[in-house]
Amino acid sequence: GEDVEQSLFLSVREGDSSVINCTYTDSSSTYLYWYKQEPGAGLQLLTYIFSNMDMKQDQRLTVLLNKKDKHLSLRIADTQTGDSAIYFCAESGGGSQGNLIFGKGTKLSVKP
Amino acid sequence: DTEVTQTPKHLVMGMTNKKSLKCEQHMGHRAMYWYKQKAKKPPELMFVYSYEKLSINESVPSRFSPECPNSSLLNLHLHALQPEDSALYLCASSQNLGQGWEQYFGPGTRLTVT
Repeated sequence: GEDVEQSLFLSVREGDSSVINCTYTDSSSTYLYWYKQEPGAGLQLLTYIFSNMDMKQDQRLTVLLNKKDKHLSLRIADTQTGDSAIYFCAESGGGSQGNLIFGKGTKLSVKP
Repeated sequence: DTEVTQTPKHLVMGMTNKKSLKCEQHMGHRAMYWYKQKAKKPPELMFVYSYEKLSINESVPSRFSPECPNSSLLNLHLHALQPEDSALYLCASSQNLGQGWEQYFGPGTRLTVT
């Protein structure tokens, strides 16, 4: 079945780059997503990448996709304390209804 | 505008109460979703509506009853809930990108069942 794996914690210093990694199993996923969730809030769609792309850059965010290894990463440049949150990787679930399969989430802590 | 709104933000209800959660979007999305999220866990899909018809029910107990009155609104009716149903309930809506979906979430309703 479909499964998405992420490491649970990442701690970085303010100003450093953060790299959050994710592996997925469903090779038919056409889009892969990154969401951010701050405490007590809903999920914010950060970015997504189409499966025929290797990289997507959006301001401080860079997404890398290795489709052969089913590996996705999110790099945050110049990490700020406001980036502290849980980051979820997600792939499209089976079928055509747009439902998402989420990883367990990576808690990013940014130290001043 | 990529806003999905949910009301109420917080809800406390007893096990014999009946209450409803409401969700609204005005982005013209034709797919809407309910997810349940327990603390320190990812969201879990409950229901999917596509063009106002229920298309996926992930074996959710009947004490949760979804309703989609029109393309902008999604409700979740709650009756005879259990304390273990306490969670953050997230609504989402999606835009079809052709080969995938762009899904936006609301801020959630924090439900506590006493």
